[in-house]
Amino acid sequence: EDQVTQSPEALRLQEGESSSLNCSYTVSGLRGLFWYRQDPGKGPEFLFTLYSAGEEKEKERLKATLTKKESFLHITAPKPEDSATYLCAVQARTGANNLFFGTGTRLTVIP
Amino acid sequence: DSGVTQTPKHLITATGQRVTLRCSPRSGDLSVYWYQQSLDQGLQFLIQYYNGEERAKGNILERFSAQQFPDLHSELNLSSLELGDSALYFCASSGTGVNTGELFFGEGSRLTVL
Repeated sequence: EDQVTQSPEALRLQEGESSSLNCSYTVSGLRGLFWYRQDPGKGPEFLFTLYSAGEEKEKERLKATLTKKESFLHITAPKPEDSATYLCAVQARTGANNLFFGTGTRLTVIP
Repeated sequence: DSGVTQTPKHLITATGQRVTLRCSPRSGDLSVYWYQQSLDQGLQFLIQYYNGEERAKGNILERFSAQQFPDLHSELNLSSLELGDSALYFCASSGTGVNTGELFFGEGSRLTVL
C-alpha cells in the first residue's frame, strides 16, 4: 500500500533560518513525487515534480531533492511569506493517475 | 487563480441531508479529481473522472457519488450526511500528457454537518 510520511508535523523558523522538511514514501513503482504548498483556507498549489533519484528542482528559496526512499524540501533564508503547509504526494507507476498525499508540514516563519 | 471553480464555498446542513458540490475544471482539462480534507487527516482521494468516464476510485463512501458531464464539469453528491462528513472538499483538474500529477486545485467547498 502506498504510504507517505512527512516530518516534522510543524516547524517554526526565524526569518533567514534555513531548514529542511522530510517526506518518506513507500510506493509500488514511483511515477512521480510532488510537492505542493497550501495556504490556510485555500487549495494546494503545485510546486515541484521529481521523477527519479538524484533529481533536484529549485524555485526561489525552495529546493526539492529525491532519493529512492525520501524527498527533502530545503528552505533557504525563509521569509514570513513562506509560511504555509507543505504537502508531499506520490503517484504510482501502475494504476490510475491519482496522487497519494502526506499530512503535511505546517511551516511558520517568524519575522 | 488556478482556473478551477468550486461552488458553493461554504455549506451548512443537518445530519441525514443530501448536498451537491459543483466543480468546473480548467479550460481544456479532461481529468477531474475529488479530494476530502478533514482536520485530523490529510487530503484523501475520493474519485477521478476522465472525459466523462470514471477512471479511479479511492476511499469514497457508498453514500457519496460523483459524475462528470459532457461539458466536463463535475458534481459530487453526498447523501445521508453524518457529522463526520464535515470537511473541506476539493476538486482538482489536470491536463493530459506527461505531467498528470500536476493538479490544479479549486478553493474548496467547506461542508459543515450539524
